[in-house]
Amino acid sequence: NAGVTQTPKFRVLKTGQSMTLLCAQDMNHEYMYWYRQDPGMGLRLIHYSVGAGITDQGEVPNGYNVSRSTTEDFPLRLLSAAPSQTSVYFCASSPGTGIYSDTQYFGPGTRLTVL
Amino acid sequence: AQTVTQSQPEMSVQEAETVTLSCTYDTSESDYYLFWYKQPPSRQMILVIRQEAYKQQNATENRFSVNFQKAAKSFSLKISDSQLGDAAMYFCAYGDRDDKIIFGKGTRLHILP
Repeated sequence: NAGVTQTPKFRVLKTGQSMTLLCAQDMNHEYMYWYRQDPGMGLRLIHYSVGAGITDQGEVPNGYNVSRSTTEDFPLRLLSAAPSQTSVYFCASSPGTGIYSDTQYFGPGTRLTVL
Repeated sequence: AQTVTQSQPEMSVQEAETVTLSCTYDTSESDYYLFWYKQPPSRQMILVIRQEAYKQQNATENRFSVNFQKAAKSFSLKISDSQLGDAAMYFCAYGDRDDKIIFGKGTRLHILP
């Protein structure tokens, strides 16, 4: 099993550009999550999904879109990048016994810089 | 709103010694889970230990154990026989039935040889 994979590992964008961060898991997990990690802020939940076709907002959803057309994939879209979105982005998945109780498995992260 | 507080931004411990990382949280819920995650320089987030709030017994995983004080809303992590590979950022996290996972800001642990 590859676990949770994320692409790309690094990316530099200009303000106003769009991009999609890819996340895939091969563990047949129901739940998937997107977090951002900023210095001194810990991890903050952007969006999450409890199954294919179902998504919901987390703590900091503004400026991001997600979709979940398959169990395996959970892409995060930035429609018009802003410098405030410079961060490290983590995707995670969990088996689906319950968001509050599940152990989450994390991808390696994507470091995004918006100039 | 729930909050998770890690009051020690950085800590250092001699190799082979024991260190305790502190975590407090605020909630009005009675049923929830608590986690400690480790983030080494590779940036990978790795689960260290997990505690169910309804269990009075403290969770243990090899050299890692917790001191869970539900009334005090405290969830500290003890690392025994510290090893160089334990050097990392450690995050305390809280999960509740409202489908929220809240992470603390982390404690950076240095292991001194």
